[in-house]
Amino acid sequence: QKEVEQNSGPLSVPEGAIASLNCTYSDRGSQSFFWYRQYSGKSPELIMSIYSNGDKEDGRFTAQLNKASQYVSLLIRDSQPSDSATYLCAVLERADGLTFGKGTHLIIQP
Amino acid sequence: EAGVTQFPSHSVIEKGQTVTLRCDPISGHDNLYWYRRVMGKEIKFLLHFVKESKQDESGMPNNRFLAERTGGTYSTLKVQPAELEDSGVYFCASSQDSRRTGWRSETQYFGPGTRLLVL
Repeated sequence: QKEVEQNSGPLSVPEGAIASLNCTYSDRGSQSFFWYRQYSGKSPELIMSIYSNGDKEDGRFTAQLNKASQYVSLLIRDSQPSDSATYLCAVLERADGLTFGKGTHLIIQP
Repeated sequence: EAGVTQFPSHSVIEKGQTVTLRCDPISGHDNLYWYRRVMGKEIKFLLHFVKESKQDESGMPNNRFLAERTGGTYSTLKVQPAELEDSGVYFCASSQDSRRTGWRSETQYFGPGTRLLVL
């Protein structure tokens, strides 16, 4: 059974600091990796996708992928209170449904 | 451009009743997905349509759940009869035609979800 593991948190980070979110996955056949942000009561919103080993940067966000270690991470630089949300790691093996982790609850302290 | 919409936003029903959830994907999106999040658990994949065809319904919990996408536009998910364990948030997502973008890079856009409570 495919699994995606995340620390549920809460992860508390001071405003302006770097928030580091981690995720591991069990299926070595996974091809695509996504980070979604979900505010309470709202729909998941895609913030980053990554498909190859290494880093991918987009503004204040950097996704990191290590397929050998089956590890994905998300770094948020210069954290803002508006970044406070639940961050969901999702993995795609083939052209079907995403496998999600339970999410990490991130709190940015002003 | 309108996003994925779902109706109703909330539904409270009694055990044994029937509920039908609706999802309207982003216009032009061939792929439509249903997911469910039960309290305390992760979001779980239920099934995937490409246009009107079911591609994978391996995530459907049991035969009390029936999904349709007649005409390849909106989709419905019917639960009949509903049980207590069916309570949760049901999300719908859509994505473009994978033949153009490549399935690995498809972005799935999620709707706001339907919060179902079975009493």
